[in-house]
Amino acid sequence: NAGVTQTPKFQVLKTGQSMTLQCAQDMNHEYMSWYRQDPGMGLRLIHYSVGAGITDQGEVPNGYNVSRSTTEDFPLRLLSAAPSQTSVYFCASRVRETTEAFFGQGTRLTVV
Amino acid sequence: AQKVTQAQTEISVVEKEDVTLDCVYETRDTTYYLFWYKQPPSGELVFLIRRNSFDEQNEISGRYSWNFQKSTSSFNFTITASQVVDSAVYFCALSASLYSGGGADGLTFGKGTHLIIQP
Repeated sequence: NAGVTQTPKFQVLKTGQSMTLQCAQDMNHEYMSWYRQDPGMGLRLIHYSVGAGITDQGEVPNGYNVSRSTTEDFPLRLLSAAPSQTSVYFCASRVRETTEAFFGQGTRLTVV
Repeated sequence: AQKVTQAQTEISVVEKEDVTLDCVYETRDTTYYLFWYKQPPSGELVFLIRRNSFDEQNEISGRYSWNFQKSTSSFNFTITASQVVDSAVYFCALSASLYSGGGADGLTFGKGTHLIIQP
C-alpha cells in the first residue's frame, strides 16, 4: 500500500516557469489537500478537494491551480513561478473531515 | 473561525528529561477532532494520535501521553524520559466541520513546536 505519493521530491524553477506537482493516493480517500510549509508558519492550505470534480481554495491559493478528475490524483499547478513560492509542498488525503490526514513525502521547490 | 495555538516555538531539553508540548485550540463546533503530528528532520509528517471531543480520557502510548481538557481547550502532549530520536517538529491540529470557518477543508494546524533533545 503506497499511501500518498508525491513527485518530484526536489525541483528548481526559474521565475516565470510553470510546472505541475503530482499527487496520487491509493486509499480511495475523498478528501485531498495541498499545503505549503514555510519556516515558522506551520502548514498553510493552498487548495483542497472533497471529491472528484470538486475543488476549492484554501488560505493561500494565489498563483496555484488544481483539478480533480479522478479520486486518486490531485495535481497542483504553478502557473508562473515566483521566488515567494519557494517552499516545501505537502499533499494530504483523508477519508472525511473528521479523520486523520495522511501526507506525502513532500516536494522541496526552489524558485530562482 | 477555528484556531490552534502552539505557544512554544522551540524547546530544548537534555535526554531523559520529561517534556510537555502545549496546544490550545478554539472552535465553535461542539464536535471536533484533535491530532498530533511529528515531523522528524527527514521531513515527513507522521500521524501520532487522534482524539474526539467527546472523549476526555487521557491516553498513553509508551513514553507518549496526551492530556485533553475541554475546560481549558487544551490538548497537551508529554514525552517521558525523552530520547534524541524524539527531536522533531511537533504539530497540533484541529478538525471540525467544513462550515466552522476553519482551514477550508476543516483541518487547521498550529505553527509547530521544535523539540530538541540534547544527548
